[in-house]
Amino acid sequence: SQQGEEDPQALSIQEGENATMNCSYKTSINNLQWYRQNSGRGLVHLILIRSNEREKHSGRLRVTLDTSKKSSSLLITASRAADTASYFCATDTTGGGNKLTFGTGTQLKVEL
Amino acid sequence: DAGVIQSPRHEVTEMGQEVTLRCKPISGHNSLFWYRQTMMRGLELLIYFNNNVPIDDSGMPEDRFSAKMPNASFSTLKIQPSEPRDSAVYFCASSPGGRNTEAFFGQGTRLTVV
Repeated sequence: SQQGEEDPQALSIQEGENATMNCSYKTSINNLQWYRQNSGRGLVHLILIRSNEREKHSGRLRVTLDTSKKSSSLLITASRAADTASYFCATDTTGGGNKLTFGTGTQLKVEL
Repeated sequence: DAGVIQSPRHEVTEMGQEVTLRCKPISGHNSLFWYRQTMMRGLELLIYFNNNVPIDDSGMPEDRFSAKMPNASFSTLKIQPSEPRDSAVYFCASSPGGRNTEAFFGQGTRLTVV
């Protein structure tokens, strides 16, 4: 079953614009993670935010977490064509024994 | 470290045949996960191991699926007999284990059952 639902399912923007993806989940979590997947490849970890954190930055990435709303957002600033990929949120649920449950993903296309 | 290594990268088999997918996790990682990815169902967790012990196999779709981890450096996912609806990309991932750790994914095995 899918713990996370991502929104939008697909996003197309111009290079240089910002991209925002949202993730909602259902149960309490230890942390929430964002991963990227290029076509035909495995997933690559981008950033982890703990349940007691509200915002985290890594380079051009900014992640927010609102545990009261059970939601998170990933912002990619100044996007590049190379950012074209699918982005997934994953939750490490409380009592889940550090297993990760992935959302449905957002397909991002950055056009030149 | 070479990362998580999966083999084969591609597998085409006939319905009814046995299929074995293999995974070598990153050395020192205590947790290992098997996922299946399809367009219809997304990324599903099939089973995961902590310290070579299966912890949660509730995602294994049917008795035709089985997974083993005989030691810390090797795991297999077996499908017997295979069916066309098993066609998917199967990913293995490992993590150091414990709280707040990330998972490292292999490149996946693309399985086609005809």
